[in-house]
Amino acid sequence: AQSVTQLDSQVPVFEEAPVELRCNYSSSVSVYLFWYVQYPNQGLQLLLKYLSGSTLVKGINGFEAEFNKSQTSFHLRKPSVHISDTAEYFCASGSNDYKLSFGAGTTVTVRA
Amino acid sequence: DAGVIQSPRHEVTEMGQEVTLRCKPISGHDYLFWYRQTMMRGLELLIYFNNNVPIDDSGMPEDRFSAKMPNASFSTLKIQPSEPRDSAVYFCASSLGQDYTFGSGTRLTVV
Repeated sequence: AQSVTQLDSQVPVFEEAPVELRCNYSSSVSVYLFWYVQYPNQGLQLLLKYLSGSTLVKGINGFEAEFNKSQTSFHLRKPSVHISDTAEYFCASGSNDYKLSFGAGTTVTVRA
Repeated sequence: DAGVIQSPRHEVTEMGQEVTLRCKPISGHDYLFWYRQTMMRGLELLIYFNNNVPIDDSGMPEDRFSAKMPNASFSTLKIQPSEPRDSAVYFCASSLGQDYTFGSGTRLTVV
């Protein structure tokens, strides 16, 4: 069974500072990895995903993530955050059975 | 495309009543998923379908929960009878391959 661990439940950050959200996965089979963002009272929006190929994945809104197989990690980064990046972020893993398993989420609060 | 459409957006019901949540997936998607989101348990997969057939319902919490997908464009999640602990946001998602799209969710409050 797959599982996803998000290592930080809350990340406060100042505007224009960089941010990194950490995600580790466990899977013994082929794995696909995703990052989603959820704004208050809204659904889940895909930021980026890794299926295969280049380990550095670029997504929307200036986010990127790096797949590291040896460390079983898929950390999300943004070099300079905005107030509008305040949201909850979810890491998820999938495999060939098409089920997604989600981490517990990381709340990012951007302060001016 | 209008995306995955869920209705209602909000539902408030009394304990013991039947609740039906509805989902219209994206046309052409062959998988449909029902998730539940709570503060305590995060995002849990309840059940998913492939080509309208239920594949795995091991996440359905109790017999009070049931889900159907009578055709490729419609699915329901029913709770009967509802209990206060069922209060949560219920998301429907559909996918084709590894392209997933989530609906906006139904916020259920059972009082």
